[in-house]
Amino acid sequence: DVKVTQSSRYLVKRTGEKVFLECVQDMDHENMFWYRQDPGLGLRLIYFSYDVKMKEKGDIPEGYSVSREKKERFSLILESASTNQTSMYLCASSTYYTRGGLTDTQYFGPGTRLTVL
Amino acid sequence: GQQLNQSPQSMFIQEGEDVSMNCTSSSIFNTWLWYKQDPGEGPVLLIALYKAGELTSNGRLTAQFGITRKDSFLNISASIPSDVGIYFCAGDYGSGNTGKLIFGQGTTLQVKP
Repeated sequence: DVKVTQSSRYLVKRTGEKVFLECVQDMDHENMFWYRQDPGLGLRLIYFSYDVKMKEKGDIPEGYSVSREKKERFSLILESASTNQTSMYLCASSTYYTRGGLTDTQYFGPGTRLTVL
Repeated sequence: GQQLNQSPQSMFIQEGEDVSMNCTSSSIFNTWLWYKQDPGEGPVLLIALYKAGELTSNGRLTAQFGITRKDSFLNISASIPSDVGIYFCAGDYGSGNTGKLIFGQGTTLQVKP
């Protein structure tokens, strides 16, 4: 079974703090993603990575950065946390190659509920 | 960015009733996926669709990839209390090898025993 783990289920930080959210997958997947989930807005893509050290902006990258130094690990960084970054953060991974080039399932971690005070 | 329109936004039904939800897009999609998210957890894949017109079942769930490739629906028959959660559609419009998906806004389902 694919397993995607996230470093914390719940996190409380103060405005201005630097926040690190870690995600690890154990299936040797090439692609990894960070989303934030807010009521009524669904899942919005923050950043994604399709290879080690490769990253691309998603739909809402402002205020965030990412790091992918190893294939299994994808980190989301809030450089200076703000209250409007209070949200549920979801990490996902997928592989491109099992379906002859068709997008394969994204597997999600359990999420980190971040509160910024 | 691209968006999917998912409806309805929420449903409150009686146990045993059938449920139907759908997603539409202005763009053609190559893949449609349906996920369910239980409270406090990450989304889990229910059904994946890879061909226009494809109709796939998973237990009491049935999903179809629309023939125009711009829509998909998910049906749940004879709902039970554990069907409660948020259902998301997701589609791939041909993002290359990045595996990037577009997600709908979600349908929140509540089932009254």
